[in-house]
Amino acid sequence: QKEVEQDPGPLSVPEGAIVSLNCTYSNSAFQYFMWYRQYSRKGPELLMYTYSSGNKEDGRFTAQVDKSSKYISLFIRDSQPSDSATYLCAMSGGFQKLVFGTGTRLLVSP
Amino acid sequence: GAVVSQHPSWVICKSGTSVKIECRSLDFQATTMFWYRQFPKQSLMLMATSNEGSKATYEQGVEKDKFLINHASLTLSTLTVTSAHPEDSSFYICSASPIGYQETQYFGPGTRLLVL
Repeated sequence: QKEVEQDPGPLSVPEGAIVSLNCTYSNSAFQYFMWYRQYSRKGPELLMYTYSSGNKEDGRFTAQVDKSSKYISLFIRDSQPSDSATYLCAMSGGFQKLVFGTGTRLLVSP
Repeated sequence: GAVVSQHPSWVICKSGTSVKIECRSLDFQATTMFWYRQFPKQSLMLMATSNEGSKATYEQGVEKDKFLINHASLTLSTLTVTSAHPEDSSFYICSASPIGYQETQYFGPGTRLLVL
């Protein structure tokens, strides 16, 4: 079993839809949770950073962490075609080394 | 803020040559930088962790004599792929953690290496 599981997609939605992206993990030591967006042939861009459980909102993006269920989510409201990218979840247990999910490819059609 | 650059953005070389890739944090200092490799449609694979002024820590299965890492300053780390072979063709990405925010990594744009 992988430490971090993420559905590779692709996930196709129409413009304006609410998108839900998820990851599950097995290591209870993880405390830091991140979401990165990666466009094709580019480096990952940090979108959201969360410590421990709870919600965090930034514009159209909301990150949720449920440590009891070992489940994290990223919600994108009013999705735009420019949101089409691969979204990677990442997490660490406080020793800097990040463990990544495989990434979910999101396609937002106009 | 938190911008990381990489140079070159892409490189084509002949088999047997060495290639150096630079990673710079432009607007912050980073005691720790990381080097990743990414194959098409796959996630990032950590190759090594580089701390300023000390030897890099390599992940299992990564040849330290083939992938030389130097972290000479708080804003620069270099990865040299020595005696490159076609199987070394990949997308190499670095990241850097700002001092005081060591659980956060900011990534560079990546370097695409093609070995002929």
